[in-house]
Amino acid sequence: GNSVTQMEGPVTLSEEAFLTINCTYTATGYPSLFWYVQYPGEGLQLLLKATKADDKGSNKGFEATYRKETTSFHLEKGSVQVSDSAVYFCALSGSYGKLTFGQGTILTVHP
Amino acid sequence: DVKVTQSSRYLVKRTGEKVFLECVQDMDHENMFWYRQDPGLGLRLIYFSYDVKMKEKGDIPEGYSVSREKKERFSLILESASTNQTSMYLCASSLDRARHFGDGTRLSIL
Repeated sequence: GNSVTQMEGPVTLSEEAFLTINCTYTATGYPSLFWYVQYPGEGLQLLLKATKADDKGSNKGFEATYRKETTSFHLEKGSVQVSDSAVYFCALSGSYGKLTFGQGTILTVHP
Repeated sequence: DVKVTQSSRYLVKRTGEKVFLECVQDMDHENMFWYRQDPGLGLRLIYFSYDVKMKEKGDIPEGYSVSREKKERFSLILESASTNQTSMYLCASSLDRARHFGDGTRLSIL
């Protein structure tokens, strides 16, 4: 079946540091890939998505590229802010639109 | 913007009680979902529905049931609550493959 593996957390960075959160997947067919973010006390929000190989999703300074050859969808941001502190989930959408989530990565950014 | 509203942010119930969690969406979405979120396990799908009165089991349906009498409302029911059902419950709706989530209900079973 489909699965998503995320980088172990928590991740702690200083403001303006470079962020990478690794995500790899196993899936049949051609899944769509997503990053969701969950701020403290809130539900999940869609951060960005990519629907086919080599697509790059981007939003709020975050980027991720759908790499079929390495089955990866790593999340990156060039300069993080304190307000980026949240839990980040990688997910894939396979057959019948079923969404499979990674376990989540906690990001804490210090001033 | 899509609005998914869950009836309670925090709920405390006792073992053996029948518990209802309510979810309403305002965008006429066909698809609705219930997940539970536990540390280190990510989100796991409990039940989903693609249409009124239609329901499908997700990955962890045991101990739960659902009801979808109207398109905008999807209810999760814990038939006889147990302590291992203490968790964060998230409702979502979708038109395509992306999900729109509510803010969650943190449920404690004592």
